[in-house]
Amino acid sequence: RKEVEQDPGPFNVPEGATVAFNCTYSNSASQSFFWYRQDCRKEPKLLMSVYSSGNEDGRFTAQLNRASQYISLLIRDSKLSDSATYLCVRGSQGNLIFGKGTKLSVKP
Amino acid sequence: EPEVTQTPSHQVTQMGQEVILRCVPISNHLYFYWYRQILGQKVEFLVSFYNNEISEKSEIFDDQFSVERPDGSNFTLKIRSTKLEDSAMYFCASLDQDRGSYGYTFGSGTRLTVV
Repeated sequence: RKEVEQDPGPFNVPEGATVAFNCTYSNSASQSFFWYRQDCRKEPKLLMSVYSSGNEDGRFTAQLNRASQYISLLIRDSKLSDSATYLCVRGSQGNLIFGKGTKLSVKP
Repeated sequence: EPEVTQTPSHQVTQMGQEVILRCVPISNHLYFYWYRQILGQKVEFLVSFYNNEISEKSEIFDDQFSVERPDGSNFTLKIRSTKLEDSAMYFCASLDQDRGSYGYTFGSGTRLTVV
């Protein structure tokens, strides 16, 4: 049983494109969700938290649908520097449960 | 901005040897964690540590592993009798409990290679 599932990609998009990542989770009691970004051989870094009401941070929009147990991340006007692996993460009593990640490659 | 510091950045060890991975968490954080990531796989929780004792551990964290905070600043992960499959990135993290799961800070990791 996979607790957090993501499409592994890779997503190859041109600069300026809009790209959407999806994630599903299996524990309906989960309270907190996050998107992390991980560059190759680096530590995960928090990109943004995810709320049922949706939240936006510049070009990034995250959405949580608790009824469907579904989380999304939308990146608008993608930049070369957005190339990374995006990790869907569930918070569970202080611990973090990671998805395997979706790899994004933004090309010129 | 405060950082979690890990040393060494890369450790190569022979199978069967013991290794100690070191971490200096953020000074006012109270919860400490070790995670690992085998190449090409997801980040996995190993163990959490609070008030000088293990608060939770995963199935991965068996008798081969131990953690301690020997001097109030360092937080170490010891792996005894290393196996080839222990090769991975090991990330230390500390948590600002006031922010719950929102307050994680990860170190830059130690890449362990068992040969």
